[in-house]
Parts: sequence; structure tokens; C-alpha cells
Amino acid sequence: EAQVTQNPRYLITVTGKKLTVTCSQNMNHEYMSWYRQDPGLGLRQIYYSMNVEVTDKGDVPEGYKVSRKEKRNFPLILESPSPNQTSLYFCASSLVGLALSTGELFFGEGSRLTVL
Amino acid sequence: AQSVAQPEDQVNVAEGNPLTVKCTYSVSGNPYLFWYVQYPNRGLQFLLKYITGDNLVKGSYGFEAEFNKSQTSFHLKKPSALVSDSALYFCAVRDMGSGYSTLTFGKGTMLLVSP
Repeated sequence: EAQVTQNPRYLITVTGKKLTVTCSQNMNHEYMSWYRQDPGLGLRQIYYSMNVEVTDKGDVPEGYKVSRKEKRNFPLILESPSPNQTSLYFCASSLVGLALSTGELFFGEGSRLTVL
Repeated sequence: AQSVAQPEDQVNVAEGNPLTVKCTYSVSGNPYLFWYVQYPNRGLQFLLKYITGDNLVKGSYGFEAEFNKSQTSFHLKKPSALVSDSALYFCAVRDMGSGYSTLTFGKGTMLLVSP
């Protein structure tokens, strides 16, 4: 089954304790992206990757890191989480080229993070 | 810069009645437009898209959307609402003429269909 898998789905942590949210897709997609969803703000892009070893900042990258060492994986790293990073996080993937512009994104189920 | 506006935080309809969820957009070139739906505790799912051609596009679950260039709108519609349509709906836009550009989402509209 084609899917984007995120882990963990739920996490409560404390300020400053490094954490990683994993994302893996099995569709051989080149493009992967992280979004955060906050009430009243919709989805905002954190980072994206057009292919292995190619990453770029989205609209709200501060406080986050990513890496793309393998095509299927795109982990989101919070080196020193703060309460304002409490949010619902989504990973998404797609093909590139014209398919990226005209095609749909495939989303994971989301990871709800609470930073105390 | 590209942007999307969903003017209604919530839309309430009775089951069996037609529904409309509004979306307006702003791009410098021509738009690629999308609708996504998010059910509780789930990720976003693609519903439909407008790329070019017929202004009325049909998508999943009986939904359709009408592209109106003069009004820069892309409203989501369904002739007869179901309780199971209750969910959060997102409109999104990408500027066709700017090479690769990120997909910009609206803030979402909660659709509540009452029995």
C-alpha cells in the first residue's frame, strides 16, 4: 500500500530535550516536505527536499533541522524544542517535475507534539 | 507572492442540502488549484484539482469545484451533503508561471453536516 509513515504519532516532551520525528514513504517520490498545522493558521511549510541531499527552507524553518540521506526518509529534528513548537506536524511527498506542480501531495497521518 | 483565502471558518449544512465551501486566491501568473480534506485524526487527502481546461472539475466523493478566473475563486461544491462529509477542508494554490513554488494552503474551513 502506498503510504507516508510518520513516527511518533503523539509525543509529549520538555523544553530543550532533542527529538526527531521520522517520515518514510514507499512511493519512490523525489519530493518530501514537512508542514505544521496550527489553529487559525492552516498549514505552513517548514522544510522541503527536492531529492537526496537537496533540502531548502520553507516559510517557518526556525528551530528545525532536516536531512535527506536516503530517498525514502526525511526526518524532522528539533534540537532544542520550545513550547511554541507545540503543534501538529505533517510529512508529505510527491513526484517532481511537472507532476510536482500539477499533482497532489501525499500526506502522513500527522504527529502531535506537545512541548512543556 | 501567492495567497489563498477561505473566508469562512465553519460552514453548517443539513444532510441532503447542497454545500459550498468558498476559496479565493491570488497569484501573479495562472494558478494550479487544489482542494484537500482532513478527517479527524487523519492526514490531508487530495480531493480535486484545476490545472487547465474545463472550469468545472469533478473529484472524489461527489465533490466538484468551479474555477472562476474573473473572480479569482475556486469554490468547492456538492449537490447533496452527507453527515460523513463533516471534516476540515483546505484550498491550496501554486503559481503556474513561477517555476517551482511551494504549495500555499488556506487556513481551512470546518464543514459540519447535521443529520
